[in-house]
Amino acid sequence: DTGVSQDPRHKITKRGQNVTFRCDPISEHNRLYWYRQTLGQGPEFLTYFQNEAQLEKSRLLSDRFSAERPKGSFSTLEIQRTEQGDSAMYLCASSLGPAGDLDTQYFGPGTRLTVL
Amino acid sequence: GENVEQHPSTLSVQEGDSAVIKCTYSDSASNYFPWYKQELGKRPQLIIDIRSNVGEKKDQRIAVTLNKTAKHFSLHITETQPEDSAVYFCAASYHSGGYQKVTFGIGTKLQVIP
Repeated sequence: DTGVSQDPRHKITKRGQNVTFRCDPISEHNRLYWYRQTLGQGPEFLTYFQNEAQLEKSRLLSDRFSAERPKGSFSTLEIQRTEQGDSAMYLCASSLGPAGDLDTQYFGPGTRLTVL
Repeated sequence: GENVEQHPSTLSVQEGDSAVIKCTYSDSASNYFPWYKQELGKRPQLIIDIRSNVGEKKDQRIAVTLNKTAKHFSLHITETQPEDSAVYFCAASYHSGGYQKVTFGIGTKLQVIP
């Protein structure tokens, strides 16, 4: 599968623990996005990277959330001091660009987080 | 910001019938409208998209229409099959900050009854 990949696919953690998710975009894509999806809802935008630069963050991304894309390839999303309300599917997507183009986002399979 | 409303939230149709899902958007700057299909436990997959300079687009049994004046767009699936059963998300997208900012609807759960 040469699409977007995410790891792990499932994560169960106790409240207060830190968790980290990884996303590997499609190799030639320079744009990367993180979304959160809760049951019965569409994906909600969290943050966006153009290469290694994090250019936009949603107000949904509290101080406990941090995302990185250090070399402009894979990205990590870390949640510190997890809360039960953080339980959701975390989706990563990537797109080709370039700037100004109507480019399509392709999604990974997601990481389902359950906070006990 | 953009607001996308989608309805119905659930839709049951008999196999072979047509299914229509409707969405509205609020921001006239939106210029790209993708539709995604998400099967249970799987990733959202793009099934069709339409750009604001086009009123209709068709791909085999799937078609999408766009009315920019009314800010409405719809997905039409003809001759539905059981494998069409999934959650369908509409989305509206506009260019902001160097990328296409996408806002999704809440999804429509389509059940095709054999």
